[in-house]
Amino acid sequence: AQRVTQPEKLLSVFKGAPVELKCNYSYSGSPELFWYVQYSRQRLQLLLRHISRESIKGFTADLNKGETSFHLKKPFAQEEDSAMYYCALGRAGSYQLTFGKGTKLSVIP
Amino acid sequence: NAGVTQTPKFQVLKTGQSMTLQCAQDMNHNSMYWYRQDPGMGLRLIYYSASEGTTDKGEVPNGYNVSRLNKREFSLRLESAAPSQTSVYFCASSESGGTYEQYFGPGTRLTVT
Repeated sequence: AQRVTQPEKLLSVFKGAPVELKCNYSYSGSPELFWYVQYSRQRLQLLLRHISRESIKGFTADLNKGETSFHLKKPFAQEEDSAMYYCALGRAGSYQLTFGKGTKLSVIP
Repeated sequence: NAGVTQTPKFQVLKTGQSMTLQCAQDMNHNSMYWYRQDPGMGLRLIYYSASEGTTDKGEVPNGYNVSRLNKREFSLRLESAAPSQTSVYFCASSESGGTYEQYFGPGTRLTVT
């Protein structure tokens, strides 16, 4: 069975500090991993996915198959990064995404 | 381009009442989804439709039915609402499954008393 664990419900950091949002997954096959973000009063939207290996809004995430992790990182947090972040796990050919419970990031000015 | 739209935005039901949540997308996507979002639980898939004419159960299908009316529209029906179905419901669509990005609607906040 697939499972996604985001161990922190809430993460508070000061503006300018580094951010790391943790995501661990459980899946025996080849995973497809995503980070989705929900800003206040906005709809959920894709932030990045591991296959594209891109940096969006200064965020990066590297898939570590050995540690089964896909942590989201940003070197310098901005106030506009405050949002709810969800890690999601899918697999090629499947229509089901398994979401983690989410981490609320609060960036303190 | 409205993307994914949902109606209604808010709804209050009494236990035992029925209602249908509507979802439409204008991106010519093949696949559509219904999720529920509960505090501390993240998003859980209720039902999905891989393509027009097909529907499949997700993680939490009990108490719900769906209809893929056409390529654009995917509705979610609660036949006999229960307080446990109080939640925020999101519809999403994607070009296909797997690695494709899912686009979400604004959500419907449903309260069952």
